[in-house]
Formats: sequence, structure tokens, C-alpha cells
Amino acid sequence: EVQLVESGGGLVQPGGSLRLSCAASGFTFSSYEMNWVRQAPGKGLEWVSYISSSGSTIYYADSVKGRFTISRDNAKNSLYLQMNSLRAEDTAVYYCAREADWFDYWGQGTLVTVSS
Amino acid sequence: SYELTQPPSVSVSPGQTARITCSGDALPKQYAYWYQQKPGQAPVLVIYKDSERPSGIPERFSGSSSGTTVTLTISGVQAEDEADYYCQSADSSGTYRVFGTGTKVTVL
Repeated sequence: EVQLVESGGGLVQPGGSLRLSCAASGFTFSSYEMNWVRQAPGKGLEWVSYISSSGSTIYYADSVKGRFTISRDNAKNSLYLQMNSLRAEDTAVYYCAREADWFDYWGQGTLVTVSS
Repeated sequence: SYELTQPPSVSVSPGQTARITCSGDALPKQYAYWYQQKPGQAPVLVIYKDSERPSGIPERFSGSSSGTTVTLTISGVQAEDEADYYCQSADSSGTYRVFGTGTKVTVL
């Protein structure tokens, strides 16, 4: 059974940093592209970042470019999102999602709250 | 930046048909996907590659495409279909993934 489990969310002050993790199981992690998608409270889905199966190709949404860094460790079946210079508007539930041309599996999300 | 536009809400009586549109300039070049999201839950794929239905998704869900608009149709709507629906695609280069603005389907 495919499982994606996010962790690392919490309360952080504006300008602070946080590192999210996504533990994958039930499939060959190194064969799949992965993404981070977020959803602010009461708002719609927003794509955040993409990483290819090998990690050699990475894309970011304009809203996080230069502040967030996506990475993966295929040996540990794990996906990461390093978030720096956090802003109030980064407050959201962050989902990791497996991509097979579409987002076929999602985690349950981890809440990040940026507030003083 | 590239945008996909959906109506904010659609209301439909049980047994009737709900149609949700999604418009974007790159849709003639890029496939569209549709996700259903219920409160407190992660999204679930209901249509892929414009009109294909994943296994386990009821036949009442269908998708179509015409030019710069794709449409999700729910035929014979049931109370359990009440949810938010999002289209998703990519920009013309295939680099940036994009979600539509979302449509809340209310079953009257």
C-alpha cells in the first residue's frame, strides 16, 4: 500500500525556518517524481515545488522561489522541503504528492503556521 | 503566471447533472486532471488526461475538453458528491504545475 507521511510542521515566527519531511513507503520511491502542494486555511490548492526522480530537475512556484528548497534522499525514501524567510502568507497545510503525470497519491498533510 | 479559472460554486439537486468548467490558455497543449476534496481530507483524483476515469471512481464522473476549456460532469449527483473540485494542468512548457481556483459543489 502506497503511503506518504508528512512531518515537521508547527508554529514559527515570521522570518524563521522550518524543514518538512515526507516519508514514502509501499512503492519504489526512486522511480517517481514528487511534489509539494499547499493549502492555506479556507483557500484552494497551490502547487509549491517539483523534483524529478533522480533529483536532477527541480522547479518552484514564483511565490516560494529563492526561499524554499526541495530535496530527496532515495536511499531513505524521503522527500524534504526546507523553508526559509517564512511569511504569514506561507501559513498552510503542506502535502507531499507523488506524480505519475498527475498527482496520484497524497499524504495527509502537515500544518505550518507562521505567526508572531 | 499561468492561471486556470473555475466558477466558485455550483449548486445542483440530487439526481441532476453538475458541470464544472476550467479555462486556461495552455489547455489545448496540456492534459487536465480533476481532483475532489472533502473537508479535512487530502484531494482524490477523479479524472486524468482530460477524460479518463481512474479505477474505483464512479461512472457518473466524466471529463471532456474543447479548446481552452475542460469540463468535469457529474451525472446523477449524489449527496456524497458534495465537495470542492479542482482542475490541474501545467503551463505550455510543462514546467509549472497549476491548480484551478476551485469549485464548491453543493447538493441541495
